[in-house]
Amino acid sequence: SQKIEQNSEALNIQEGKTATLTCNYTNYSPAYLQWYRQDPGRGPVFLLLIRENEKEKRKERLKVTFDTTLKQSLFHITASQPADSATYLCALRGGSYIPTFGRGTSLIVHP
Amino acid sequence: EPEVTQTPSHQVTQMGQEVILRCVPISNHLYFYWYRQILGQKVEFLVSFYNNEISEKSEIFDDQFSVERPDGSNFTLKIRSTKLEDSAMYFCASSVGQESPLHFGNGTRLTVT
Repeated sequence: SQKIEQNSEALNIQEGKTATLTCNYTNYSPAYLQWYRQDPGRGPVFLLLIRENEKEKRKERLKVTFDTTLKQSLFHITASQPADSATYLCALRGGSYIPTFGRGTSLIVHP
Repeated sequence: EPEVTQTPSHQVTQMGQEVILRCVPISNHLYFYWYRQILGQKVEFLVSFYNNEISEKSEIFDDQFSVERPDGSNFTLKIRSTKLEDSAMYFCASSVGQESPLHFGNGTRLTVT
């Protein structure tokens, strides 16, 4: 069956460090992969989209990599700040255009 | 920046009652979605809507659910006879195109008692 796996344990890091979150998938051949941020009680907010023929995408302090051989995407936040504390969701579009979300990983940045 | 708006923010209803959740998608968007998130769980797809008809739906979206775009701006989700397990946060989303990122509203928290 198709699975999207994100670390269910919260990631705790110190302010200023780089946070790295992982998204692994099985039985998908995604044309795209997206990362969203979700704050408590709010809807997901789109951050970055990376296509299957792209290895890396950057936006300000954010960087996403996409390895279709490993079936994995890494999401990096450099120079992290307490305001980056949130849950980060990866979403895949496979054969359908509908994004399917992982459970997300909670990031806590300590001052 | 334009945003998706949802009303009400919180709805409490008794089991067996009908509820209608309302959404106003971003005006130039063509694709509309409903997702739900049970507390502590992942965001799950319910249904997508394009060109005034359902384009895809999940197994969750059974005969108790329906969607409508009654007037060209609102997009509604109706649950005909609510069950306790329908308690969740319901998110509306819209996108410009099929391959575009989704813009989500801040959800309606539905509590069925």
